[in-house]
Amino acid sequence: DVKVTQSSRYLVKRTGEKVFLECVQDMDHENMFWYRQDPGLGLRLIYFSYDVKMKEKGDIPEGYSVSREKKERFSLILESASTNQTSMYLCASSLWGGVSYEQYFGPGTRLTVT
Amino acid sequence: GQQVMQIPQYQHVQEGEDFTTYCNSSTTLSNIQWYKQRPGGHPVFLIQLVKSGEVKKQKRLTFQFGEAKKNSSLHITATQTTDVGTYFCAGPSSGTYKYIFGTGTRLKVLA
Repeated sequence: DVKVTQSSRYLVKRTGEKVFLECVQDMDHENMFWYRQDPGLGLRLIYFSYDVKMKEKGDIPEGYSVSREKKERFSLILESASTNQTSMYLCASSLWGGVSYEQYFGPGTRLTVT
Repeated sequence: GQQVMQIPQYQHVQEGEDFTTYCNSSTTLSNIQWYKQRPGGHPVFLIQLVKSGEVKKQKRLTFQFGEAKKNSSLHITATQTTDVGTYFCAGPSSGTYKYIFGTGTRLKVLA
């Protein structure tokens, strides 16, 4: 079974702090994704990566950066947390190839910025 | 930009009633995926449709991909309390690995 784990289920940070959210997958997937989920807005893509050290911006990258130094690990960084970044953050991974593959999601990190 | 919309946003049904959620894309899709997220859980993949007009069934769930490949639907027959959750459709953004998720339909089943 594919397993995607995230470093924290709940996190509370202060405005201006630097925040690291970590995601690890154990199925050798090439693609990894970071989404945020807000009520009424569905899942919005922040960043994705299709290979080590490769990244592409999603739909809402402002205020975020990412790092992928190893294939299994994809980190989301909030350089200076703000209250409007309070949200549920979901990491996902999938195979890469000529056809589309299903995404496997982690349990999510609920981040509160005060 | 490309948009994927879902309706309705919420649906409350009595147990045993049918339920349908609709997904509409602003552009033609090469495929469409459906996910289910239980309350407090994370999205879990249900199915992928690829062909125009395709219909697939999973027990009481019927998935359909429109002829023009711009819309899709998920129909649940005789809902049960285990069907509670939010259902998302997702379509690929052309030329990328990105998927655009719909806003989701939250289903509540009243026993």
